[in-house]
Amino acid sequence: ETGVTQTPRHLVMGMTNKKSLKCEQHLGHNAMYWYKQSAKKPLELMFVYSLEERVENNSVPSRFSPECPNSSHLFLHLHTLQPEDSALYLCASSQVGGEYYGYTFGSGTRLTVV
Amino acid sequence: SQKIEQNSEALNIQEGKTATLTCNYTNYSPAYLQWYRQDPGRGPVFLLLIRENEKEKRKERLKVTFDTTLKQSLFHITASQPADSATYLCALDRGAGTALIFGKGTTLSVSS
Repeated sequence: ETGVTQTPRHLVMGMTNKKSLKCEQHLGHNAMYWYKQSAKKPLELMFVYSLEERVENNSVPSRFSPECPNSSHLFLHLHTLQPEDSALYLCASSQVGGEYYGYTFGSGTRLTVV
Repeated sequence: SQKIEQNSEALNIQEGKTATLTCNYTNYSPAYLQWYRQDPGRGPVFLLLIRENEKEKRKERLKVTFDTTLKQSLFHITASQPADSATYLCALDRGAGTALIFGKGTTLSVSS
């Protein structure tokens, strides 16, 4: 399998639930990202991992917790979310340093908080 | 404050015409500017990038210009087709390992 794979594609969760989003890249990239996309808003950067270290954290509420166990996998752990957290969550990867070809995105996880 | 604006939320054109999309930014000095295509329910797909020292870049029917004095990029699709209908996103790369910042996008509809 190639590219960036996100699971699940759709998730409905209650405000008291705990769930995790998973992202896997098969491109040999050394940086991975979480973005949130809400209707009528630009993509909002949430977290950046470069060489498995978190290098950017964009004032995201603590109910979102990222984890990057290795350069191919990225998780977003969710707990006690709010209805306004409902959105499309996108994972991306890129190569930092060397020849640069932009970001490769996954298809996203459509999250609904009820 | 830093802003990226894609001037039109929606653009409707006829098949065969050239679509021109605009991206303006303020208070950035991007190392690269990139354009992505996004279809409904899917993640963005990388199309083209242009460096700060380049004026123009082409790829098949796509052309991007970058004017760092005007702080503006234009994205052109020539001989447009209904299959080009999608949302197009402009993104700035500030360099030094920082992540991309995106505009809201312009939704292009090409009618036959």
